[in-house]
Amino acid sequence: DAGVTQSPTHLIKTRGQQVTLRCSPKSGHDTVSWYQQALGQGPQFIFQYYEEEERQRGNFPDRFSGHQFPNYSSELNVNALLLGDSALYLCASSLLDVGNQPQHFGDGTRLSIL
Amino acid sequence: DAKTTQPNSMESNEEEPVHLPCNHSTISGTDYIHWYRQLPSQGPEYVIHGLTSNVNNRMASLAIAEDRKSSTLILHRATLRDAAVYYCILRVSSGNTPLVFGKGTRLSVIA
Repeated sequence: DAGVTQSPTHLIKTRGQQVTLRCSPKSGHDTVSWYQQALGQGPQFIFQYYEEEERQRGNFPDRFSGHQFPNYSSELNVNALLLGDSALYLCASSLLDVGNQPQHFGDGTRLSIL
Repeated sequence: DAKTTQPNSMESNEEEPVHLPCNHSTISGTDYIHWYRQLPSQGPEYVIHGLTSNVNNRMASLAIAEDRKSSTLILHRATLRDAAVYYCILRVSSGNTPLVFGKGTRLSVIA
């Protein structure tokens, strides 16, 4: 049973460019959450998707957007990249209506902005 | 979101028990206490969670103070593979709320 998978594992971009990161949730999960983890910090919540809609959002600008597909996989898009967007981007999956269950994380995409 | 306080780092000898503390003095009655850990170059991994009673699973034990204002994650026999950052997180009981991570405790295990 495959866990959460993310692609690519590493990515290098320059300022002003756009990037798309991808996530496949754990089998049977319907909800995907995205987190940003800067070096030396804990992960920070970006947004959560369920039934192809953004359900909750953290304190991130509109440059950060996402999408969820009918097969529950998800994409994170970041426009007009800034140096400060360099971070590890983590995807987590879970079941929406099961209270307090664990979130399952992928190993992330390391994004470097030059 | 209620806040948790953890030591920045701790050190343990291999094969000895480790007690990782967490203070959460502003916890509400509906908050569960969750622990996750993050091994080097990996995403966070769920460890354990509880509400009021102590909890045990194959990875660890969670001891919760009677007033719920603090808790302790117990690794019964630390191994080198337990070296990680451990996060203590409060989460409301209902729904699928996002996890609010602090900086966690970096645990080093010495052979």
